[in-house]
Amino acid sequence: KQEVTQIPAALSVPEGENLVLNCSFTDSAIYNLQWFRQDPGKGLTSLLLIQSSQREQTSGRLNASLDKSSGRSTLYIAASQPGDSATYLCAAVYGGATNKLIFGTGTLLAVQP
Amino acid sequence: EPEVTQTPSHQVTQMGQEVILRCVPISNHLYFYWYRQILGQKVEFLVSFYNNEISEKSEIFDDQFSVERPDGSNFTLKIRSTKLEDSAMYFCASRRYVDTQYFGPGTRLTVL
Repeated sequence: KQEVTQIPAALSVPEGENLVLNCSFTDSAIYNLQWFRQDPGKGLTSLLLIQSSQREQTSGRLNASLDKSSGRSTLYIAASQPGDSATYLCAAVYGGATNKLIFGTGTLLAVQP
Repeated sequence: EPEVTQTPSHQVTQMGQEVILRCVPISNHLYFYWYRQILGQKVEFLVSFYNNEISEKSEIFDDQFSVERPDGSNFTLKIRSTKLEDSAMYFCASRRYVDTQYFGPGTRLTVL
């Protein structure tokens, strides 16, 4: 069964700290992986998409990596800010006609001012 | 910037009633999805839709659920006879080709 897990479930850091969020997937035949941000009671905002042929993607202070062989992806946030506080979700796509997303449980990040 | 929109933002209904959740995907997108998130749980795939037909559905998407793209812009999810366990946040998403899925803000469905 294709599953995605995220550790830790919650993380609290002081403002300015660099941090890493982890995502693991059971099936290495991944097609691509997306990282999302979810604010309380709100929708999902796409942050980064990494194709299976790529090792990493960067957007501003965010850098996502993908290691298919170990079944892991990481989201690195540099110089964290209180506005980064949210739940971060990773979701794997295993291809096929539909490209449905299989989501992890998320990491709730709190950046303390 | 184009975005996926959903209405209503919150729907309250009695058990056994029919509800229709509405979505307007990004206009040049070709693939459409519904996902749901029960409070405190993972976001789960319900159904995908392409070329005016369902391309895949999950075990959750039973005979009580249906989807429709009636007019080339709207994409709807109908639940025929709601149950308490249908209470969740329902998200619509769309994508153009083999790339990012864009999500709407969600509809919170509360079944009493």
